[in-house]
Amino acid sequence: SQTIHQWPATLVQPVGSPLSLECTVEGTSNPNLYWYRQAAGRGLQLLFYSIGIDQISSEVPQNLSASRPQDRQFILSSKKLLLSDSGFYLCAWSKVGFDTGELFFGEGSRLTVL
Amino acid sequence: AQSVTQLGSHVSVSEGALVLLRCNYSSSVPPYLFWYVQYPNQGLQLLLKYTSAATLVKGINGFEAEFKKSETSFHLTKPSAHMSDAAEYFCAVVPWAGNNRKLIWGLGTSLAVNP
Repeated sequence: SQTIHQWPATLVQPVGSPLSLECTVEGTSNPNLYWYRQAAGRGLQLLFYSIGIDQISSEVPQNLSASRPQDRQFILSSKKLLLSDSGFYLCAWSKVGFDTGELFFGEGSRLTVL
Repeated sequence: AQSVTQLGSHVSVSEGALVLLRCNYSSSVPPYLFWYVQYPNQGLQLLLKYTSAATLVKGINGFEAEFKKSETSFHLTKPSAHMSDAAEYFCAVVPWAGNNRKLIWGLGTSLAVNP
């Protein structure tokens, strides 16, 4: 069966510090991968999605970047965090090909920037 | 542009009462429709989905939703609420046609269940 894990679960970082959130998927090959951010009262915001290694699309201009060094690994990074980067970050995957909208989410990473 | 509207950011029901969470979408072509549930401090989980088959869709945990094309709605219901149903519920749409097939999300409805 397929599983998805992301870490760390909780992170408290000072403004201006770097960020690295990692997500890995097991039990499937060549998944579509996604990073979402969830802020209170604002629903889910798609940040990045990837259909393959080194194929990453950015949905929203921001202080963040994403990389996919391996087929089932997706990393969210920042060189210098802003207060506005605080939120709940969710990694997700879907089956390759036609996007039916069925996503499988990780447990989430709560980032607090102070 | 496609959009999803969830009426009511907060809904409160008594245990055993009917749960009704509303979702309306804007689309010229019937889309794929989804309900996801998010328990506190967890990721989202698919509750049910409509993909142009039966208009009444049954999901996990006793939830169901009915696709009504004439009303562009996909409301989520459960006959009898349980305390464990307290969570955030998200309605989402994938346009049936077009190149951009990514999910369009509603803002979510927080369901509280009172004893």
